[in-house]
Formats: sequence, C-alpha cells, structure tokens
Amino acid sequence: EPEVTQTPSHQVTQMGQEVILRCVPISNHLYFYWYRQILGQKVEFLVSFYNNEISEKSEIFDDQFSVERPDGSNFTLKIRSTKLEDSAMYFCASSEDKEGSSYNSPLHFGNGTRLTVT
Amino acid sequence: DQQVKQNSPSLSVQEGRISILNCDYTNSMFDYFLWYKKYPAEGPTFLISISSIKDKNEDGRFTVFLNKSAKHLSLHIVPSQPGDSAVYFCAASVKWIGNYQLIWGAGTKLIIKP
Repeated sequence: EPEVTQTPSHQVTQMGQEVILRCVPISNHLYFYWYRQILGQKVEFLVSFYNNEISEKSEIFDDQFSVERPDGSNFTLKIRSTKLEDSAMYFCASSEDKEGSSYNSPLHFGNGTRLTVT
Repeated sequence: DQQVKQNSPSLSVQEGRISILNCDYTNSMFDYFLWYKKYPAEGPTFLISISSIKDKNEDGRFTVFLNKSAKHLSLHIVPSQPGDSAVYFCAASVKWIGNYQLIWGAGTKLIIKP
C-alpha cells in the first residue's frame, strides 16, 4: 500500500538555526498537510497545500514557517529560525480530496520527524 | 465553538473484552467523524469514519456509534487484542468560513492487558 514517507526521523538543531523537514506524499494525492504534536499535547494543524500554494494555515504557522513543493514528489516544511518551543513531532499528511471534504478520503500520515531544538 | 473532546486520557481493558472509546462534540454542524489510531513513533492511521446522517458504521472488530442528540460518538472494539494498544484520536469535519476543517480531540490511550 502506498505510504507517506518523512525524513529524517529525528532532527536535532540549535536554537536559531534553520531546519527543513522533508516529506514524500502518496503519488496520486493532490492535497498536502503539515501537523505537529508537542509531547503530551494535541495534534495541531499547521498548513495545507494545494496546486502549489497554501490553501489554509493556522495561527501557529507564522512567518518563521514556509512550505514548498520543489519538484513533483517532495513537500517540505522549513522553519527559518528555530525556537525551543518548536520541539515537537512534525507529521506530513496527504489526501485525495481536501481535508474534511470527503467522507471517503481520510488523511494518510507519515511516521513523523521528531524535531529537538536545544 | 468547534471543540471535540475526549475526556478519558487513558483506558485499560482486558484482552478479549470490549473497548469503548468516547468522544463528545459541541458543534451540531459537523459533517462526519473519523477515528485515527496512533502507535508510538508512528503517524496517525485512519481507522473508521461515520457520516453525520448515520448512527452506526461497522468494519470488522470496529464499530462507531453516533448519537447526534447527545453530540456523542463512541468507538467499540470487540474483542480487544494486544495490538489495539495505541492512542485513539477522534476527529470531526466541518465547513468553516468557506473551508473544510478537521478538528481533533486530545486522544485516549488504550492499554490492552493480557
């Protein structure tokens, strides 16, 4: 079964450094997402991406964050200047239809990248 | 208010018995509801969903019940197996300011005891 893959599985970085988290969504999916989960807290929506542009973003997704689909397969999340509170699991997801718009089109998640900011 | 609440942070059930995970919501405009399962160090995996026009959906050992008047849904797993030990998230879909959103609960950790 096709799956969403994320690299690296664990990234350690120093505060103030830039990080890029990478994702390869399922190939025939058109909608892409980033979520994060701070340890012990809820899964939080960050951003959705469709047709090479952001379709929605949450309050968390401020100017320090950006997303890009640099080629036909990768989908990246960049954090320009990391803060301690950015430490979390970051999940990439993809779906055939827009999130929430189709009963039969759930999100497919990757296994996440654990980001540790020191 | 679009909250989705899972009031039990954890639940322990004997192997072979029924596991019942609960979820409450406040917005009567939710279109459908989903359950995701998450193992440690993995992403959430879709488990089962139910449309707001239904009151039950069944898939093998998993059944989701929706009580719209009570704004409550539950996931039943029977019989429970050790591999069911995971965190279960309830999520609800709503169209909000022209866009669809998935609103997630905080999760319930299910522990199946041998």
